[in-house]
Formats: sequence, C-alpha cells, structure tokens
Amino acid sequence: SQTIHQWPATLVQPVGSPLSLECTVEGTSNPNLYWYRQAAGRGLQLLFYSVGIGQISSEVPQNLSASRPQDRQFILSSKKLLLSDSGFYLCAWSGGGPQHFGDGTRLSIL
Amino acid sequence: LAKTTQPISMDSYEGQEVNITCSHNNIATNDYITWYQQFPSQGPRFIIQGYKTKVTNEVASLFIPADRKSSTLSLPRVSLSDTAVYYCLVGDYGRGYQKVTFGTGTKLQVIP
Repeated sequence: SQTIHQWPATLVQPVGSPLSLECTVEGTSNPNLYWYRQAAGRGLQLLFYSVGIGQISSEVPQNLSASRPQDRQFILSSKKLLLSDSGFYLCAWSGGGPQHFGDGTRLSIL
Repeated sequence: LAKTTQPISMDSYEGQEVNITCSHNNIATNDYITWYQQFPSQGPRFIIQGYKTKVTNEVASLFIPADRKSSTLSLPRVSLSDTAVYYCLVGDYGRGYQKVTFGTGTKLQVIP
C-alpha cells in the first residue's frame, strides 16, 4: 500500500533563517505531489504541485519554493523565513484519484 | 474551480446519524465530489468520493442529486471520535493533477 512521510513533525525557526521540509511517498510511481499550508482555523491553501520530476507549478507567489529531485520526493524550501510563514504545512500525493495527505509539519517562526 | 459552501459548524449527540450538506452550484461535468475528515494537527483523511447518485463505504454514505449542485455526507451513529472538521471538495480527477479548493469545512462536535 502507499504511504506518505513528512518530516519534521514540528519545527521552530527564527525569522530570516532557511527552511527545508521533506516529503516522500512509498508504494507508487510517478505520483502527483502537492504542498499545502493551513493557517489556524482555516482551510488548506495550495502552494505548489508537481506532475513529474523537475516540474513545479506555483499557486501563490511568496518567498517559498519547491523542488522534486526524485520521483517520490518533494521538498519545500525558503532562503529567508518571514513571520507570516508560520503555519501547518501538508504534503499530499495523488495517482489519478483523490489526494492523500501526510501528517504535516507545524512550523513556528520566532 | 467550483466553489463549495458548507455549514461552519454542527453539533450532534452520540449515536445519532449526521448529515452534512455541501453546495457546489458551479460544478463542472468532469468534477467529482470528495469528502475529507481532519483532526487537529493531522492531515485530512479521505472519507468518500462520488460522481452521482449514492456511494457507500464502511464509514459513510454520499448522496448526490441528479443536478449535482449539492451533496450530502451521511455519518451513521456518530461517536465522540467523529468530532472533527469535514471538508467537501469538487475537482476534475480525469486530468493528471487535481487543483481543488479546500474551504473552511464543517466543524462537527459530537456530544456525549
């Protein structure tokens, strides 16, 4: 069966520091991959999606970026974090059906 | 992208059947309707998906009228562990990816 892993589960970073969140999927090949952010009490906001290695589409202009160096690996990055980058970050995958989500990373910016 | 409208919150007693309705007036021909459940500090969990009429699985039923402008998620005999936020989404799963929009969902509180 397919599984999705995100890490770390929680992260506390100072303003201006870099960020790297990683997501990997097992048990499937060539998945569609997604990064979402969820603010407290809000719905999910799609940040990036990828249909293949090296193919990234951005939904929201911001200081975040995404990369897909391998088929089942999706990375969310930032060179300099802002206070507004705080939130719950979720990775998801799909294979032509509904999306399936990881357990998320709680990011707090100090 | 089709927009969805759901009640912000609902309360139900344990053991009752809960029906959550979602409006999606602008649903497109190729769109499917999907429901997710989310607990605090966890990712959304897929519950059920349908295109038309009725779909049932081991945890829920999904009722979709002929015009597909709304859908109703039915949870039989809820328990305290069903307290969560429920999201209704519409999206085209026939393409290689899905750009779907998550609204604020319906916060279901199950009362003992």
